[in-house]
Amino acid sequence: GQNIDQPTEMTATEGAIVQINCTYQTSGFNGLFWYQQHAGEAPTFLSYNVLDGLEEKGRFSSFLSRSKGYSYLLLKELQMKDSASYLCAVDSGAGSYQLTFGKGTKLSVIP
Amino acid sequence: DAGITQSPRHKVTETGTPVTLRCHQTENHRYMYWYRQDPGHGLRLIHYSYGVKDTDKGEVSDGYSVSRSKTEDFLLTLESATSSQTSVYFCAISDPSTTGTGSSYEQYFGPGTRLTVT
Repeated sequence: GQNIDQPTEMTATEGAIVQINCTYQTSGFNGLFWYQQHAGEAPTFLSYNVLDGLEEKGRFSSFLSRSKGYSYLLLKELQMKDSASYLCAVDSGAGSYQLTFGKGTKLSVIP
Repeated sequence: DAGITQSPRHKVTETGTPVTLRCHQTENHRYMYWYRQDPGHGLRLIHYSYGVKDTDKGEVSDGYSVSRSKTEDFLLTLESATSSQTSVYFCAISDPSTTGTGSSYEQYFGPGTRLTVT
């Protein structure tokens, strides 16, 4: 089976940096995705990692270690609008580019 | 934004009635997916399609069926709705053939349908 773990909730202060971790145990690995989901809305794509290392995209960065089955999403200069759930998803090679999602991390940004 | 719509956006129905949810895309993407999202469970794949008339089961397919008669439409049917199928349903599309090897092939999500079965 596939297992993807993320913390359920996190709280951070506006302007700070927060790291959201994701560990996975899957039968295969073709890539890892991070999505952002505001309450009552659809998930939107943030980042994709297939090779080890850090991918930077503005205030958001995502890191992958395939040997450790580990990824993190780093959010810098937090803004109130970053309050949302962050979903980690893995393509385990099951076919048709299916993704298995973690349960998501709800991030609350406080003033 | 990817052109994906879902209908209806909200529905309340009674136990035992059939329900069909529609996903419509204007992106000509080959792959389409149906998920349900419930508190404590995250997004779970119900069924997916890899082409017209080509569909397969996902993680939580019991009680659901799908059909795809044309590229742009993917229908999810609850043959006899139960209270356990109360959920938010999301459709997603993807087309990795449009990206290069090693490039991202993210799924784009529709706005969701909130279904309540009483």
